[in-house]
Parts: sequence; structure tokens; C-alpha cells
Amino acid sequence: QKEVEQNSGPLSVPEGAIASLNCTYSDRGSQSFFWYRQYSGKSPELIMSIYSNGDKEDGRFTAQLNKASQYVSLLIRDSQPSDSATYLCAVNDNAGNMLTFGGGTRLMVKP
Amino acid sequence: DTEVTQTPKHLVMGMTNKKSLKCEQHMGHRAMYWYKQKAKKPPELMFVYSYEKLSINESVPSRFSPECPNSSLLNLHLHALQPEDSALYLCASSQAENQPQHFGDGTRLSIL
Repeated sequence: QKEVEQNSGPLSVPEGAIASLNCTYSDRGSQSFFWYRQYSGKSPELIMSIYSNGDKEDGRFTAQLNKASQYVSLLIRDSQPSDSATYLCAVNDNAGNMLTFGGGTRLMVKP
Repeated sequence: DTEVTQTPKHLVMGMTNKKSLKCEQHMGHRAMYWYKQKAKKPPELMFVYSYEKLSINESVPSRFSPECPNSSLLNLHLHALQPEDSALYLCASSQAENQPQHFGDGTRLSIL
């Protein structure tokens, strides 16, 4: 069974700090990796996608992928209280037609 | 606001009712998805349509019946649901099956 694992948190960081969110996955053939942000009572919102090893930066967000270690992470620089949400890691299977979500990490950014 | 539109936003129904959830996207995406999400849990995949054909059915009970009338529309027909089916039902779409998925706002369903 394909698994995507995240620490459920909550991860608490002060405003302005770097938040580091981690995710591991079991399917070594996975090709596509995504980070979604979900506010309470709302639907998931795509914030990052990454397909190859290394770092990908978009504004305050950096996604990091290491396929050898089956590990993907999300860094949020200059964290803001508005970043407080649950962050879902999602991995596409080798065939590319099924997205498996991790359980999510709840992030709390304190003013 | 999202580019995937779901209606209704809220639905309360009895166990003997028949209702339908609707999803629409005008981004030209060729893959559409239904997910179920319970509180404090991640979304669980129910169905995948690719080029208007059902490509994945994740062993969902037959009381849930998907339909894809055209490339922009996706329906989920509900009949004889159980209280444990109460959840947030999310529709998503992507350009193709291995591309990022974009979610609608969801329909919050309550079964009495």
C-alpha cells in the first residue's frame, strides 16, 4: 500500500521565522509531488509542485525533493499568522493517475 | 474564488433521498476527480475521469454514482446514503492525470 507520511503537528513557529514541513513517501516510482494548504473549513489550495530532485522556490515558499531518500519538504520563510493552516503533502503514483495525500501538518504561526 | 465550481455548497438529506452534486470547470482540463474528506483527515480519492471516461473507481459503494456528461461537467449522484457518508465532497480537475489538481470549494453534505 502506497503511503505518504507527515508529522501531524501542530508545528508552532514565531512570526518571521522559517517553518519547515516534512513528508516521506513509500512508492519509489513516484514522479510528481505537491504541497497543498488547507484552511479550516476550506478546500485544499495548491501552493507548490515539484518533479525533479533539488529545490524549487516560489516567493516565500521553497519545495525540496530527494527521490533517493523518498523525502519532500516545504520551507516557508518569513512566516506570517496568515500561513497558519494545515499543509498537505500529495504524491502521484508511478502511473500518474492517483494522488495520495499525507495526513497533513498543522502549522501555527504566532504573532 | 476557485476556477472549479461546485454546487450546492451545503446539502442536508435524509437516508432515503436522491440528490446530485455538481462540478464545473472551464479551464480545458481533461481529468476530473471526486474526493471525500472527513474532519481532520486528508482527502480520499473516490473517482477519476480522464477524457470523459471513468478511469479509477476506488471501491466506492454503489450508493455513489458518478457521471461525466462532457469535458467540463462532473456529477455525483447520491442515493440511500448512510450517516457515515456525511463529509466534505471535493471536486478537482487537472490538465492531465499527472498534472497538479485544482480543487473546488466543496459541498458539505450532512445525512440525517
